[in-house]
Amino acid sequence: SQKIEQNSEALNIQEGKTATLTCNYTNYSPAYLQWYRQDPGRGPVFLLLIRENEKEKRKERLKVTFDTTLKQSLFHITASQPADSATYLCAPGDQGGKLIFGQGTELSVKP
Amino acid sequence: GAVVSQHPSWVICKSGTSVKIECRSLDFQATTMFWYRQFPKQSLMLMATSNEGSKATYEQGVEKDKFLINHASLTLSTLTVTSAHPEDSSFYICSARDFRGRETQYFGPGTRLLVL
Repeated sequence: SQKIEQNSEALNIQEGKTATLTCNYTNYSPAYLQWYRQDPGRGPVFLLLIRENEKEKRKERLKVTFDTTLKQSLFHITASQPADSATYLCAPGDQGGKLIFGQGTELSVKP
Repeated sequence: GAVVSQHPSWVICKSGTSVKIECRSLDFQATTMFWYRQFPKQSLMLMATSNEGSKATYEQGVEKDKFLINHASLTLSTLTVTSAHPEDSSFYICSARDFRGRETQYFGPGTRLLVL
């Protein structure tokens, strides 16, 4: 069955450093992959979408890569800030629009 | 842009009663809406896909007679939890996809359901 795996441990980094989150998938060939941010008790907020024919996408301090050979996506936050502390969700999707979510990585940025 | 609202934001009900949750796309039209459930410290699990004007498609293991979904317009979908039981207590989140076929799903703020 399809499986999405993100960094299992919470990620703790110092303010100003780059956070790198990993998303691996198996038994799946997604057409695209989306990254979301979720704060406690809230719905996910869309951050970035990258398609299978794209290697890299950037938006302000965020960067996403997509390697369909390795079946992996990396999500980077540069110059991290305490306000970036949240859970980040990886969600590969198919042409029908159906997303499969990873369990999320909890990021904590310390001042 | 791309705002999705849910109502109510939280609800407490007695076992055996039914609860309706509304999901609205406020500034765009959504031919497709999705309903998810999330238990504490777990990921979002897709329950069903709702297309405007047609029957919802339920994921394996989700009882369609218990979780009634209606998508009567391009901006509104409702989820009714019928004969709720304590094990139905969870965080229910909807998402909507733009009618122009773009892939991005925009999520509502979620509804916390507690069944006593």
